[in-house]
Amino acid sequence: ETGVTQTPRHLVMGMTNKKSLKCEQHLGHNAMYWYKQSAKKPLELMFVYSLEERVENNSVPSRFSPECPNSSHLFLHLHTLQPEDSALYLCASSQDIGENTEAFFGQGTRLTVV
Amino acid sequence: SQKIEQNSEALNIQEGKTATLTCNYTNYSPAYLQWYRQDPGRGPVFLLLIRENEKEKRKERLKVTFDTTLKQSLFHITASQPADSATYLCALVDTGRRALTFGSGTRLQVQP
Repeated sequence: ETGVTQTPRHLVMGMTNKKSLKCEQHLGHNAMYWYKQSAKKPLELMFVYSLEERVENNSVPSRFSPECPNSSHLFLHLHTLQPEDSALYLCASSQDIGENTEAFFGQGTRLTVV
Repeated sequence: SQKIEQNSEALNIQEGKTATLTCNYTNYSPAYLQWYRQDPGRGPVFLLLIRENEKEKRKERLKVTFDTTLKQSLFHITASQPADSATYLCALVDTGRRALTFGSGTRLQVQP
């Protein structure tokens, strides 16, 4: 395994529900990321955290709300989602932000919005 | 506009042959380029990173080239095996950005 753990692995939620996705890494990395992967589309960057500070929000709708309480944990809070938000949500971490660093991904949460 | 293009059609090859996958990018100026492997329903796994001043990088049966003039990277798997069947993604960090941007990936199918 990569050292990045995501829970739950699968989630089905109604459009009026509130749920949270959790990501945990114990690799000592300083940067964490949320990506969305929809069918037949490239990974889309959602949020970037460096040393627990959000440094990039890639024009993500406010129904997605990230939280990084410490350098090992990252959450994605979901509320009033739409069916088109159904996708694989991937968390990743890296030693630091920037280009000379490999990313370690979790297994993802498969989200279905009904 | 900026694009990272990988062949969207699946690549089917016979076991033992060399697979060659292409990544072309437009309106980026990366100093590094990375390749990842992704199996169905799982997160991508890092394979190789190549710098702009490296013409070629090897790791076991894998070889990557990076041509900043052509704005292209080639990814080779020699002596391919059915276990190499997966989707392969190229990725880069654009100047001034903080995270990887990925291509859509090429699915490789190695037939026994």
